[in-house]
Amino acid sequence: DAGVIQSPRHEVTEMGQEVTLRCKPISGHNSLFWYRQTMMRGLELLIYFNNNVPIDDSGMPEDRFSAKMPNASFSTLKIQPSEPRDSAVYFCASRAGTAPYEQYFGPGTRLTVT
Amino acid sequence: TQLLEQSPQFLSIQEGENLTVYCNSSSVFSSLQWYRQEPGEGPVLLVTVVTGGEVKKLKRLTFQFGDARKDSSLHITAAQPGDTGLYLCAGVSGTSGSRLTFGEGTQLTVNP
Repeated sequence: DAGVIQSPRHEVTEMGQEVTLRCKPISGHNSLFWYRQTMMRGLELLIYFNNNVPIDDSGMPEDRFSAKMPNASFSTLKIQPSEPRDSAVYFCASRAGTAPYEQYFGPGTRLTVT
Repeated sequence: TQLLEQSPQFLSIQEGENLTVYCNSSSVFSSLQWYRQEPGEGPVLLVTVVTGGEVKKLKRLTFQFGDARKDSSLHITAAQPGDTGLYLCAGVSGTSGSRLTFGEGTQLTVNP
């Protein structure tokens, strides 16, 4: 298995632009998670999907952030409009639906908003 | 809010030394996971401990889950430069293990 795939690996954009991050989870996994990692705040959960349905989006910073999972093999995280404080590494992770609920992370997208 | 406190935050040691990283919480977790993250990559799962008091060994790494399932430790014997990385503990809780609460991480540097 190729593992969790994320694209792009790096994104540099100007403030105010729309940014779309993409994720392909491991085949057969029914849960998908989006995280953000910064030096100041560490690894934070943004949103969690189960069977393509958003279950917990309490970590989404504000309305500028939105996430979708149209099918079991694809998810997007969109930021519109982007701001410099959104600069971070964004990770997608997936897991199967049975204990011990081990999550497998993608390589991340490093986002820089200037 | 569940919190996991990791210590130390930074650790720089010489090759061959032993070390222990601690992960503590006031909350009970159904299981606890340890990850290692290298620069430019995502966290990679090392081990999951499930039962209170459980000890798991992965070559030179020994993981222990506290009896009350609130704390855990990672001990590395005879550290090597290849062990360098960010070590993260994460507590599993919530319905069907839906929530993973991460500690702040321990940045380990092993000098040759």
